[in-house]
Order: sequence, then structure tokens, then C-alpha cells
Amino acid sequence: EDQVTQSPEALRLQEGESSSLNCSYTVSGLRGLFWYRQDPGKGPEFLFTLYSAGEEKEKERLKATLTKKESFLHITAPKPEDSATYLCAVQEYGGATNKLIFGTGTLLAVQP
Amino acid sequence: EPEVTQTPSHQVTQMGQEVILRCVPISNHLYFYWYRQILGQKVEFLVSFYNNEISEKSEIFDDQFSVERPDGSNFTLKIRSTKLEDSAMYFCASSGGSGLGNTIYFGEGSWLTVV
Repeated sequence: EDQVTQSPEALRLQEGESSSLNCSYTVSGLRGLFWYRQDPGKGPEFLFTLYSAGEEKEKERLKATLTKKESFLHITAPKPEDSATYLCAVQEYGGATNKLIFGTGTLLAVQP
Repeated sequence: EPEVTQTPSHQVTQMGQEVILRCVPISNHLYFYWYRQILGQKVEFLVSFYNNEISEKSEIFDDQFSVERPDGSNFTLKIRSTKLEDSAMYFCASSGGSGLGNTIYFGEGSWLTVV
């Protein structure tokens, strides 16, 4: 049973065409929800941490929001350099450590 | 900006051989992790390490795997007898502490190919 589900699997946008990526999660208690960016052949690069429903974080053209069941990563007026895989991951309460449970990611391609 | 560094970036090994992947976590961090990502699949947790011992491990982390912090800066993952299915990108990661939602920072990965 998947605890973190991301959609869509892939998204192609024109430069400047805003959109949103979705991450839905099912955990007994959410300690934190994380967004990472991953370029091909590279490690996940930290973007945001969200802790509670209603929280929002922004960084340049990206804004992450959180509800009790899902998170959205909004991309405003994307540029080609925003092309990457965006990963969502959760930390649960009750675990021995801060391990992350990842979704499969959304592959974003922004065309000029 | 502090970063997690990993070596080697790519290693090709024969099935049955031992492999050691090395990592230098961020210097003031206390928790260390290994994750892996098989090509085209999700990033999976392998093991976490704190205070010189394993604090949690996944089902993937069987007796063929071990971790060690041999000195104050390095953190290693050893695969004793590699199998074809061990081919993957292995990521080392670290975090500062056990606080609420402590951010985990990842290295660039070591790509392991078992032939």
C-alpha cells in the first residue's frame, strides 16, 4: 500500500504556463512533508518542509501548500531550468528516526 | 553551503564482490542515512545511524549490508557479496538532529552497477 502518491507522473508545460503538482499521503501522524527536486543522475535537492495543514512556503517560482491529506507544489510562470523530477516525501510520528517515505515523483518538462 | 559528499560517483563490480561506498556527511549533523534508487523507481530508505549504532533499518537492509562510521567524518555502506539486483544509485544523507521534521540533506549519489 502506497503511503505517498504523486500525480501526474509526467507533466509538459510551455514556458510561462503555470500548473500544480499533487502529493497525497496516508500516514497515521505526519511529522513533516518534504519537497525535493531531482535532476537526472543527481541526488534529491531540498526545497521545502511543511509541518501542519494550512502552511505555505515559497521559493522563487515555487509555492508549496499542505492540507490534512495532500500537498501541492505550484509552479508559477515556469522556465526551462525548472525542468526536473519533483519528489514528495513524508516523515511519520512513531518511527525510530526521521526516515523519509518517498513518492515516485513528477517529471516536469518545461519547453521554451 | 555545507554538503554531503560521496565517493565513488560510479562503480562497476562483479557479482559476488564486496563493495564499499563512502560518504562525508555535513559536519555538525548527528543522523546519517543510506537510501537507494533503482533506475526508474522511487527513492527507498535503507538504514539510519545515530550515536554509533543503527537506529532503524528497512527490509532491504539484510545481512549482506553493513554500515560504519570509522572516524569522525566518514560514513560507509558495505555490501558483502553483491547481486545483480543491487545495481542502483545509493544516496548518503544526513540531518542535524531528532527535532520536529528535521531536514535531511542528500549527497549526489554513488551509481553501482553489478555485472
